[in-house]
Amino acid sequence: GAVVSQHPSWVICKSGTSVKIECRSLDFQATTMFWYRQFPKQSLMLMATSNEGSKATYEQGVEKDKFLINHASLTLSTLTVTSAHPEDSSFYICSARAPGLGELFFGEGSRLTVL
Amino acid sequence: GENVEQHPSTLSVQEGDSAVIKCTYSDSASNYFPWYKQELGKRPQLIIDIRSNVGEKKDQRIAVTLNKTAKHFSLHITETQPEDSAVYFCAAGGTGGGNKLTFGTGTQLKVEL
Repeated sequence: GAVVSQHPSWVICKSGTSVKIECRSLDFQATTMFWYRQFPKQSLMLMATSNEGSKATYEQGVEKDKFLINHASLTLSTLTVTSAHPEDSSFYICSARAPGLGELFFGEGSRLTVL
Repeated sequence: GENVEQHPSTLSVQEGDSAVIKCTYSDSASNYFPWYKQELGKRPQLIIDIRSNVGEKKDQRIAVTLNKTAKHFSLHITETQPEDSAVYFCAAGGTGGGNKLTFGTGTQLKVEL
């Protein structure tokens, strides 16, 4: 199957700082990637759809100025959590579909802890 | 938008028994229904999926059924084993690369010896 890689797998930062998470499709090109957030023992909540070469599409209630998404190439999307606060602590996970396949492949996830 | 409901939230079965998890969806345009297994701290892994032109699909001990009219689909695991213990998520959406998936709330399955 296709491989999606995410980095870093975990990060701890101070309140008020910004954190960047990278999502790469390693063996296929992804014009679209999806960013999800998962709180402990909860479901995967879609935050935004990342579109290569254009603006991301954010889900209702997700602040686009706080969660900056950049999809500069067909294999890389980044999520930057700006001015992070403790309530932003969560498991952030990206995903993408390889061309011709319906299956959604997930990255390893990034666990963010904001102190 | 799509809304997916999943039941039960927790399910405990004895090893060897069957487990059934049910989901309903709201958007009749959805045509792709995958099931994911997620172990603690790890990424979700696809275990089986079904498209709207099929009513049932089976892969060894795992099967999924779809009722388009009722907007209902279910996961069936037979002969459960301890390694089946995990959180299972259903999802609904489209199959195209840009089509998002909406996930259910998850079911914590525990297979007891």
